[in-house]
Amino acid sequence: RKEVEQDPGPFNVPEGATVAFNCTYSNSASQSFFWYRQDCRKEPKLLMSVYSSGNEDGRFTAQLNRASQYISLLIRDSKLSDSATYLCVVNKDSSYKLIFGSGTRLLVRP
Amino acid sequence: DTGVSQDPRHKITKRGQNVTFRCDPISEHNRLYWYRQTLGQGPEFLTYFQNEAQLEKSRLLSDRFSAERPKGSFSTLEIQRTEQGDSAMYLCASSLGRGDEQYFGPGTRLTVT
Repeated sequence: RKEVEQDPGPFNVPEGATVAFNCTYSNSASQSFFWYRQDCRKEPKLLMSVYSSGNEDGRFTAQLNRASQYISLLIRDSKLSDSATYLCVVNKDSSYKLIFGSGTRLLVRP
Repeated sequence: DTGVSQDPRHKITKRGQNVTFRCDPISEHNRLYWYRQTLGQGPEFLTYFQNEAQLEKSRLLSDRFSAERPKGSFSTLEIQRTEQGDSAMYLCASSLGRGDEQYFGPGTRLTVT
C-alpha cells in the first residue's frame, strides 16, 4: 500500500465549477501536510500547507482530519489556469523528506 | 534567476554508460534533496544533505547511484552503468532549514536507450 493515496482522475470540470480532491495517508506519525501543484513537464510548486484547523487561500481551501488520516483540497470558481496535477504531500520525521501521492489531474474546460 | 538550477535539463544515454547531474540550490539553503519522478507518479525521495553531510539515503538509491555535496553548496548525482529503468525525471530541491518550504529545480530528464 502506498503511503499517500490519491484518486488519479482526471477531473474534467467547466470553468466556474467547484472541485474537491481527497487524499489519505497511512503513517499516523506524519507531521506536516501540503498540497503541491505540478504543471505538465514542470517542477512541483507548493500550493499551500495544510493545518489541523483547516486553512483557506483565496479560492483554495485545505482540510486535515488526523483521526481519519485524510486531507482534502477544495477549489472554488475553477479557472482554466487551474488545470494541472495536484499532489498530496506529507512528511513524517525530522529529515523533512517529502512523501508524495501520485497526483490528481485536473482539467478545466471553457 | 535565484531559484534552484539543474544541469543538464535533458540527457539521453545508452544503457551501461555513466551520467552525472548537477544541482545548484538557492544560495544559503543548507538542506538539499534529490527526488526521482516517473511518468504518472509523484516524486520519490532519493537522498538529502544538510550542508555537506549526506544524512539519509532511500533504498531506491542502489549501489550504482552516488550523490555528493562537497562544499555544502552545489550537489552532483551520478548514476553508473545506467539501465533502462533509470529513465525518469531527477528533481533537486533545497530549503533554508528543516521544516522550511522546499523549492524544486526544473529537473533533469534522463532517457536511457
